[in-house]
Amino acid sequence: AQTVTQSQPEMSVQEAETVTLSCTYDTSESDYYLFWYKQPPSRQMILVIRQEAYKQQNATENRFSVNFQKAAKSFSLKISDSQLGDAAMYFCAYNSPTSGTYKYIFGTGTRLKVLA
Amino acid sequence: DTGVSQNPRHKITKRGQNVTFRCDPISEHNRLYWYRQTLGQGPEFLTYFQNEAQLEKSRLLSDRFSAERPKGSFSTLEIQRTEQGDSAMYLCASSLRRTSGSPSYNEQFFGPGTRLTVL
Repeated sequence: AQTVTQSQPEMSVQEAETVTLSCTYDTSESDYYLFWYKQPPSRQMILVIRQEAYKQQNATENRFSVNFQKAAKSFSLKISDSQLGDAAMYFCAYNSPTSGTYKYIFGTGTRLKVLA
Repeated sequence: DTGVSQNPRHKITKRGQNVTFRCDPISEHNRLYWYRQTLGQGPEFLTYFQNEAQLEKSRLLSDRFSAERPKGSFSTLEIQRTEQGDSAMYLCASSLRRTSGSPSYNEQFFGPGTRLTVL
C-alpha cells in the first residue's frame, strides 16, 4: 500500500526567509503524481504545487518550488520569501492512475508558522 | 464558477442521531470524493463517485455510512446512529476525468468541509 509521511508536525519561519517542508512516500507504482496542498485556518484546501513522477524537472510556482528525489522517494516543498499569508497546514499528497479512482493519500501535515 | 460548496458548515448532534451532509461539486466535474479529517491528521479517503456510480468505498465507511450522488450532480453523505468517534471534518472534493489529451493528474478541488461534533 502507498504511504505518505510528513515528519515535521510544526515549522516556524521568519517573514521573508526560506523554509523547507519535508515529505517522503512509499509506492511500488511507476506512474504517480505528488501534490502539496495548503489548508488555511478557514479549512478550505487549495493546491500549491504538483509534480508528475515522470518529469525529472522540479516543479516551480512563483515562491514555491519542490525538490523531487524519485529514487529516494522524497518530495520537499521550499517556500521562499515567506509571507504572513503562508501560515497554514501543509499536506503532502499522492495519487496514481493505477488506482483507477485517483484518490489522494495524504500525509499528516505540517503546521507552518510565519513570524513577523 | 463558485467552486465546491458543502452544507451545513457545522453540525452538532447527539449520539444516536442521524445526520446528512450535502456537497455541490464544480458543475462540469464528473468525479466526486468524500474524505474525513480528524484533528491533527490528514484527510482520509471515504468514497468515490464517477458520475452517479459509487465505484469505491473505504473500509472506514462502516455500514452506518451511506453516500449517494443522484443524477451525477450533488452528493449526500449520511451517517446513521452517530457515535462520538464520528466527530470530524468531512471534506468533499471534485475533479474532471479527462477522456483525451495529456495525462491527467486529476487535481481535486476541495470544499470548505462540514465539521461534525457528536455529543
